Amino acid sequence: AQSVTQLGSHVSVSEGALVLLRCNYSSSVPPYLFWYVQYPNQGLQLLLKYTSAATLVKGINGFEAEFKKSETSFHLTKPSAHMSDAAEYFCAVSDRSGNTPLVFGKGTRLSVIA
Amino acid sequence: GAGVSQSPRYKVAKRGQDVALRCDPISGHVSLFWYQQALGQGPEFLTYFQNEAQLDKSGLPSDRFFAERPEGSVSTLKIQRTQQEDSAVYLCASSARTSAKTQYFGPGTRLLVL
Repeated sequence: AQSVTQLGSHVSVSEGALVLLRCNYSSSVPPYLFWYVQYPNQGLQLLLKYTSAATLVKGINGFEAEFKKSETSFHLTKPSAHMSDAAEYFCAVSDRSGNTPLVFGKGTRLSVIA
Repeated sequence: GAGVSQSPRYKVAKRGQDVALRCDPISGHVSLFWYQQALGQGPEFLTYFQNEAQLDKSGLPSDRFFAERPEGSVSTLKIQRTQQEDSAVYLCASSARTSAKTQYFGPGTRLLVL
């Protein structure tokens, strides 16, 4: 069965600092991987996805993530945090056999300090 | 274009009441998913439709939960005899057949069972 582990339920960074949110997955074959962001009282918005093209994936709002098969990781980064980046971030995995449910991590809450 | 919409956005129910939660997917999307998100947790899969066919209901927590999508568009998640542990945000997502697995989420329905 697939699973996702997000290290750190809460990450706090200063405005302008590097953002690094960690995600490790467990899957018997390389899966599809996603990062979603959730603002308070809203649904999930897709930031970026890995579907076996380039291993470095660029998303919206300046975020990017790198798929590392050897480390089974898909960490999310942004060079310079903005106050508007404060939200809950979820890493998710799905297999490749058609439309299948996403398996989510528990989420990481990002706080940005002025 | 219009995204996924859900109604009601908030629902308060007394323990033992039946509730019905509605999801309007993006027009033309054949796949529809329901997830349950408990407070402070990531979303967890409930059930999946392809058009009107319910292909996977393995995540439904009990036989009190029932979902339908009779015409392959709007879907309703029904919870009978609600219990306090049913309190959560219920998220709906839709996906096009050829969208490389991207699921687009609605804003969710926050259910509180008293």
